Amino acid sequence: ILNVEQSPQSLHVQEGDSTNFTCSFPSSNFYALHWYRWETAKSPEALFVMTLNGDEKKKGRISATLNTKEGYSYLYIKGSQPEDSATYLCASMYGGSQGNLIFGKGTKLSVKP
Amino acid sequence: KAGVTQTPRYLIKTRGQQVTLSCSPISGHRSVSWYQQTPGQGLQFLFEYFSETQRNKGNFPGRFSGRQFSNSRSEMNVSTLELGDSALYLCASSLGGTGNREQFFGPGTRLTVL
Repeated sequence: ILNVEQSPQSLHVQEGDSTNFTCSFPSSNFYALHWYRWETAKSPEALFVMTLNGDEKKKGRISATLNTKEGYSYLYIKGSQPEDSATYLCASMYGGSQGNLIFGKGTKLSVKP
Repeated sequence: KAGVTQTPRYLIKTRGQQVTLSCSPISGHRSVSWYQQTPGQGLQFLFEYFSETQRNKGNFPGRFSGRQFSNSRSEMNVSTLELGDSALYLCASSLGGTGNREQFFGPGTRLTVL
């Protein structure tokens, strides 16, 4: 059974702090890695989709890196703001473009003003 | 462009009943995936439909079934409901499949089984 692990499970930071979380996944037969942000009472929203080893993507203050050889991805948030408070989910896909996503349990981020 | 919609948003059923949930994807999206989320668990993949065909299926019992119509709208059915089926059910659509394309999620249906 393929397992995607995220750490930490939860994180509390002060406004202005920079933070990062980890997503670990089996590297064998890997195809793609997705990051989503899920705010309370809203739908999960896509942040990044990455496929290539060494990929780095950025959206505003949020960026992500991918290491497919060792099976991990990092999500970084620079200068956290209260509106960044959400659960961040990663999901990996195996066996080609028509496989299904396997989600981690998420990292819940709380940013205090 | 309208987002993914799911109906109903909330549902209360009793054990043994069956339920049908509906998902309307973003216009032009042909892939619809269904997920279950229960407390303490990540999103668990149920199945994916593409062009009216089930393309992938997760590790759920046969009580969980689905279908997709020619307009890409999808329904999920759960028969003989059990207490453990209480969960948030999310659907997500994408253009051509989940691969390297982001998924767009609906607001979910919160199912409570009494």
